[in-house]
Amino acid sequence: DAGVTQSPTHLIKTRGQHVTLRCSPISGHKSVSWYQQVLGQGPQFIFQYYEKEERGRGNFPDRFSARQFPNYSSELNVNALLLGDSALYLCASSLARVGQLRNQPQHFGDGTRLSIL
Amino acid sequence: AQRVTQPEKLLSVFKGAPVELKCNYSYSGSPELFWYVQYSRQRLQLLLRHISRESIKGFTADLNKGETSFHLKKPFAQEEDSAMYYCALSGGGAPVVNKFYFGSGTKLNVKP
Repeated sequence: DAGVTQSPTHLIKTRGQHVTLRCSPISGHKSVSWYQQVLGQGPQFIFQYYEKEERGRGNFPDRFSARQFPNYSSELNVNALLLGDSALYLCASSLARVGQLRNQPQHFGDGTRLSIL
Repeated sequence: AQRVTQPEKLLSVFKGAPVELKCNYSYSGSPELFWYVQYSRQRLQLLLRHISRESIKGFTADLNKGETSFHLKKPFAQEEDSAMYYCALSGGGAPVVNKFYFGSGTKLNVKP
């Protein structure tokens, strides 16, 4: 089991640019979530996708968007980058299903470290 | 609003001493609670979840709905327990399936 894989591992961008981060879930997992982790804080929920549909969104501006593909991999897009977007972006997958108890744990990738200059 | 609070940023204990990492939550419904751990240079991984009522690596956690707490405990700390620990709550209601709220984490340092 390869686990959740994310690419790239590190990325440096300048203000105003856009970025695309990628995630492949554990085989068999149809739910993918994205989190932002700023230094010194816990992960903060950005999006959840299940069966290619957005199922939940955190308190992030519209500059943040995501999508999920038929193979359940996912992309996170951030436009008009700001200095405050510098963070570790984590992807997590789970076996969670609509209507199922909310007790399915999240399995995390290593993250993408995004630095904005 | 849903919130998870870990009041201690750093907890230092000696090897063999008892450990308690505190976690308090705020949630209007019936919560699902988890502890995640991140060892040095490793990814965030699940340690235990309250619904399983299990003991992993000697750690246990009991959900206290009256005090809205889910403290993590271990009777005898080991040096290999040194890591960052995050308490997390799963919630959000329909149509969200699995929205997690994390605390800010507690760094456990077990001294020899």
